[in-house]
Amino acid sequence: AQKITQTQPGMFVQEKEAVTLDCTYDTSDQSYGLFWYKQPSSGEMIFLIYQGSYDEQNATEGRYSLNFQKARKSTNLVISASQLGDSAMYFCAMREGFSGGYNKLIFGAGTRLAVHP
Amino acid sequence: ETGVTQTPRHLVMGMTNKKSLKCEQHLGHNAMYWYKQSAKKPLELMFVYNFKEQTENNSVPSRFSPECPNSSHLFLHLHTLQPEDSALYLCASSHQGDDGYTFGSGTRLTVV
Repeated sequence: AQKITQTQPGMFVQEKEAVTLDCTYDTSDQSYGLFWYKQPSSGEMIFLIYQGSYDEQNATEGRYSLNFQKARKSTNLVISASQLGDSAMYFCAMREGFSGGYNKLIFGAGTRLAVHP
Repeated sequence: ETGVTQTPRHLVMGMTNKKSLKCEQHLGHNAMYWYKQSAKKPLELMFVYNFKEQTENNSVPSRFSPECPNSSHLFLHLHTLQPEDSALYLCASSHQGDDGYTFGSGTRLTVV
């Protein structure tokens, strides 16, 4: 069964507008972590933002924020004031529990975001 | 510069060749990872090394052979690959107690 689901293969947004990228997850663990990464065409995966399962506040990091709805098992990424440089693939990922000093991240299929001028 | 360096950036190899991918980090991280990213598929975890000991092997074919001589270096030795092995191979590292990974820029492998 798929653990991370990103239902939007592609999205586009007008420059300076806000956009929401969806992500739902499936886990029976009480302790887990949720991540968003950006992958430009160069291939490098860039960490954007993190939400812990026990965090009561939605995470924010500059223009990035999460709409974390624990009961619905969703963690949607909101990018405000989109810029042309935001055009990239965006991946949602989850860490389940802890594995003794290392983490296993499970990734979704990604959403390709295109920002139009 | 991300702190995790992968070489080469691009590699084209024949099915009978032997080649190696290299990953290096000097971030003081204890864990290193190999992921495979194929077109239109989620990233697939291949191997995990923690303090240079292999802790995960996700049913990876034996034509992929990892090596971790120390916590800063990770190799992926390739031999008799198939065209379907063509993909972006990403290396990552993490520090005990921290949650996230630091990724390298990847090696784009083409098997002909």
